[in-house]
Amino acid sequence: EVQLVQSGGGLVQPGESLRLSCAASGFTVSSHYMSWVRQAPGKGLEWVSFTYNGADTDYADSVKGRFTIYADTSNNTLYLQMNSLRVEDTAFYYCARMGGWLQSECWGQGTLVTVSS
Amino acid sequence: DIQMTQSPSSLSASVGDRVTITCRASQSISSYLNWYQQKPGKAPKLLIYAASSSQSGVPSRLSGSGSGTDFTLTISSLQPEDFATYYCQQSYSTPYTFGQGTKLEMK
Repeated sequence: EVQLVQSGGGLVQPGESLRLSCAASGFTVSSHYMSWVRQAPGKGLEWVSFTYNGADTDYADSVKGRFTIYADTSNNTLYLQMNSLRVEDTAFYYCARMGGWLQSECWGQGTLVTVSS
Repeated sequence: DIQMTQSPSSLSASVGDRVTITCRASQSISSYLNWYQQKPGKAPKLLIYAASSSQSGVPSRLSGSGSGTDFTLTISSLQPEDFATYYCQQSYSTPYTFGQGTKLEMK
């Protein structure tokens, strides 16, 4: 069974860092496009980033230069390293496996990141 | 960036109704259009990809159509479990933008 289990959210102060994890089972993360999508509380969905096998990555302008997406093949886990966090980064963060049309076909359960002083 | 505009933003309907949600892209996205359903406190769920292809396990009463800039999601006969928020998303070019969402409520 394909499954994504997330961890790593929490409360941080502006300017601090946090790393989100997304452990995959039932498939190999390095063989699929993988993405992060976020949702501020009560708001809509916002695409954040994707990666494919570490060779192809892209980011939303709002996080470019501050966030880094990568996959660790040794433990089949996708990560999102978030640096210089801002209040506006407060959101539920979801990881997802992407399909052939780059649709997000399987989602993690989400984790809440709160940036507040 | 490609802008995605959904309409309506909210919709009240009854069980058994036929419902249509539209999504318009600011430029042509071919068939790179996906539809998701989200219920409160839950992760989104993929319903339709490539504009009209149903994800495995999605009931046949939900269908998608369109290409280029104009797309629709149709629910042929609303069931109680269909009351949720629906989002379209283009996966033609990054950033893979979403529509603002359509909240489908029970009348």
